[in-house]
Amino acid sequence: NAGVTQTPKFQVLKTGQSMTLQCAQDMNHEYMSWYRQDPGMGLRLIHYSVGAGITDQGEVPNGYNVSRSTTEDFPLRLLSAAPSQTSVYFCATSGSPTQNYNEQFFGPGTRLTVL
Amino acid sequence: AQSVSQHNHHVILSEAASLELGCNYSYGGTVNLFWYVQYPGQHLQLLLKYFSGDPLVKGIKGFEAEFIKSKFSFNLRKPSVQWSDTAEYFCAVNVLGGGNKLTFGTGTQLKVEL
Repeated sequence: NAGVTQTPKFQVLKTGQSMTLQCAQDMNHEYMSWYRQDPGMGLRLIHYSVGAGITDQGEVPNGYNVSRSTTEDFPLRLLSAAPSQTSVYFCATSGSPTQNYNEQFFGPGTRLTVL
Repeated sequence: AQSVSQHNHHVILSEAASLELGCNYSYGGTVNLFWYVQYPGQHLQLLLKYFSGDPLVKGIKGFEAEFIKSKFSFNLRKPSVQWSDTAEYFCAVNVLGGGNKLTFGTGTQLKVEL
């Protein structure tokens, strides 16, 4: 039982390049989300999904796309990377969007640097 | 929109000292409250959570937090810290009826010295 996994762990991009951060979970959780963590700013919600086929924007969605074709996977796409997207990205999951007291489980993070 | 304030950005304590980290939120409705910890190089882990009932909640590793509704606060405490408590601590709020979205504070970096 791997929990929440994220790949890659580290990535360096040049401005304008595209890439996809992967997030997978084997807990059969309905709710998945992406956060970015920046020094002095805590974690900010980028996008989230309450189930397969359903996604919505969080606090800082610009420059990022998501899709949710399966329960298990929730990839985050950067279409044209910018230095402002240098950050640590965390994926999180929880059991049910209606049970909003559920604990969120975080993945190990992806450290992204955009030059 | 709700917001979360953590007033202490960096705290340095000696082992065995007592700890209190402040957390205030701004939202007039019903909230669920969380404290997460991030040890160096690791992902976030849940320390404790408050949904309802007894406003004093106990979490893992000897941590506790008290929800004071009139003050919109959820301060984290530990009577005696250890070197292994060195980490970053995040307070987070979830609005009842707002799905599972969490709003985080900016974090408090705790360093415990031997």
